[in-house]
Amino acid sequence: EVQLVETGGGLIQPGGSLRLSCAASGFTVSSNYMSWVRQAPGKGLEWVSVIYSGGSTYYADSVKGRFTISRDNSKNTLYLQMNSLRAEDTAVYYCAKLWFGALGFDYWGQGTLVTVSS
Amino acid sequence: DIQMTQSPSSVSASVGDRVTITCRASQGISSWLAWYQQKPGKAPKLLIYAASSLQSGVPSRFSGSGSGTDFTLTISSLQPEDFATYYCQQANSFPSITFGQGTRLEIK
Repeated sequence: EVQLVETGGGLIQPGGSLRLSCAASGFTVSSNYMSWVRQAPGKGLEWVSVIYSGGSTYYADSVKGRFTISRDNSKNTLYLQMNSLRAEDTAVYYCAKLWFGALGFDYWGQGTLVTVSS
Repeated sequence: DIQMTQSPSSVSASVGDRVTITCRASQGISSWLAWYQQKPGKAPKLLIYAASSLQSGVPSRFSGSGSGTDFTLTISSLQPEDFATYYCQQANSFPSITFGQGTRLEIK
């Protein structure tokens, strides 16, 4: 059974850093395209970043230069390093597996809440 | 960037009703469109991919259609568990992906 479990969210001051983790089971992270998608409180979904199976990474303009997506193949885990956090980064962050053939997200984690506030 | 606009933003309907939600892309996206259902406090769930293909395990009362810029999600006979928020998502500009703003489906 495919499962994605995010951890690492919490309350952080503006300008601070946080690293989110997404532990996967039931499939191999490094063989798939993996993304982070976020949802601000009461708002819609926003794609944040993707890492290809080959290792290439891409980011939304809103986080480019501040966020870094990566993975640890030995731990079958996806990460999102978030630096220079802003109030507008406050959101539930989901990791999601991208079904490349359909370019849709077929599996999602339960999400982890990041709150950026002083 | 490709913008996705859903309409309506919210809709009220009754159990057994037929409901259609529309998603319009700011430029042609071929059939690179997916639909998701999200319930409060839960992650989104993939319903439809490639504009009209039903994801495994999704009831057949859900259907999708369209190509180019105009797409629809139809629920043929609403069930109590269908009341949720629905999002469209384009991937024509992959790796850049964008979602619609969502349509909230409420009980009348």
